[in-house]
Amino acid sequence: QSVLTQPPSASGTPGQRVTISCSGSSSDIGSNTVNWYQQVPGTAPKLLIYANDQRPSGVPDRLSASKSGTSASLAISGLQSDDEADYYCSAWDDRLNGPVFGGGTKLTVL
Amino acid sequence: QITLKESGPTLVKPTQTLTLTCTVSGFSLTSSGVSVGWIRQPPGKALEWLGFSFWDGDQRYRPSLKGRLTIIRDTSKNQVFLTMKNMDPTDTGTYYCAHRPDSGGFHFWGQGTLVTVSS
Repeated sequence: QSVLTQPPSASGTPGQRVTISCSGSSSDIGSNTVNWYQQVPGTAPKLLIYANDQRPSGVPDRLSASKSGTSASLAISGLQSDDEADYYCSAWDDRLNGPVFGGGTKLTVL
Repeated sequence: QITLKESGPTLVKPTQTLTLTCTVSGFSLTSSGVSVGWIRQPPGKALEWLGFSFWDGDQRYRPSLKGRLTIIRDTSKNQVFLTMKNMDPTDTGTYYCAHRPDSGGFHFWGQGTLVTVSS
């Protein structure tokens, strides 16, 4: 059971906007920044968002993220077929003294 | 260009010791604020952080693995090593090493190496 809670699945049609939520606690999201990763099955995770809302170079601005209290969310607008992947949130956990991950959300583009 | 690559055995027997190597390029293991993390992913499951090798030579381990896990580095060869003792079938999964700067998040990942624990 993962420390951070994500919905197991999400879906949308091309062009739509979808959001993926991530719920944690005071010792992780509540007191540290959140990162988001995309993982296409069979490949390594790719960083999409760090420090709550920062996009690394090369990540399109149709991806955005926010954090409030002990929860965070990732939004993908203008959904495309190659957005179909697993998405993981992560945050530093002060109890673990290391990062924790969510259970992952499988995004399907219908 | 930052790259990381894991290497090591694909199959280990229960109770054996696993040693994986992460060879990095494009950055220095001693760059201030930089760490190299090890993360694993059982088949079909979520990511799990295992440990860090920090820029200053320090290490940090997942508490549940302390005693089984050792992370060391060879800065002259730009390599970070993970050693895990007493492997169990539940340790089967893809093992990744990844670059983490001071700003947080694992910005660059290796391709991963699948390790199967089976007799």
